[in-house]
Amino acid sequence: DAGVIQSPRHEVTEMGQEVTLRCKPISGHNSLFWYRQTMMRGLELLIYFNNNVPIDDSGMPEDRFSAKMPNASFSTLKIQPSEPRDSAVYFCASSLGFSSNQPQHFGDGTRLSIL
Amino acid sequence: DAKTTQPTSMDCAEGRAANLPCNHSTISGNEYVYWYRQIHSQGPQYIIHGLKNNETNEMASLIITEDRKSSTLILPHATLRDTAVYYCIVRFYNQGGKLIFGQGTELSVKP
Repeated sequence: DAGVIQSPRHEVTEMGQEVTLRCKPISGHNSLFWYRQTMMRGLELLIYFNNNVPIDDSGMPEDRFSAKMPNASFSTLKIQPSEPRDSAVYFCASSLGFSSNQPQHFGDGTRLSIL
Repeated sequence: DAKTTQPTSMDCAEGRAANLPCNHSTISGNEYVYWYRQIHSQGPQYIIHGLKNNETNEMASLIITEDRKSSTLILPHATLRDTAVYYCIVRFYNQGGKLIFGQGTELSVKP
């Protein structure tokens, strides 16, 4: 079975540019999560959706970050304008519902470097 | 939120059982214990979770003490590919989707 698919796997861009990260959740999963991992802060939840609706975006660091889920099989995380401190690995995860009894399954992430 | 305490690192010989402990003394009755692992350069991988009873799947076993204040993840026959950081997470029932990752245990399986 196909897992969570993220693209691109690596992204290197210059400060000020717009960055768009993409995620395809596991088919049939109706909850989707975006996480960010850095050495300093570890893994932290940015935002999550249930049935394509954003439920909690309290982890989104700034207004420069935005996320959308136009349909059940696609989500984007956008950073505009990007800054060097946004450099991190961004993970997408999906689950069958967001109850605490449903495990989340992660993609392999996008490694983002902002120069 | 219930917090977890794990050893920073552990070693295990290849082919032997790896027993990874986790303390969660402030856990409440409706919180699940989850285990994930992260192999270098990959996303976190779900291993197993449980509420009160011991659980087993094709990857591992989860032993939860009767008072639920600690648990042990058991990899029955560790291989070199099990070298990873293992995270024990207590997940509150009404936290929605949130998984709060701590520092985890870095397990090194040695030949």
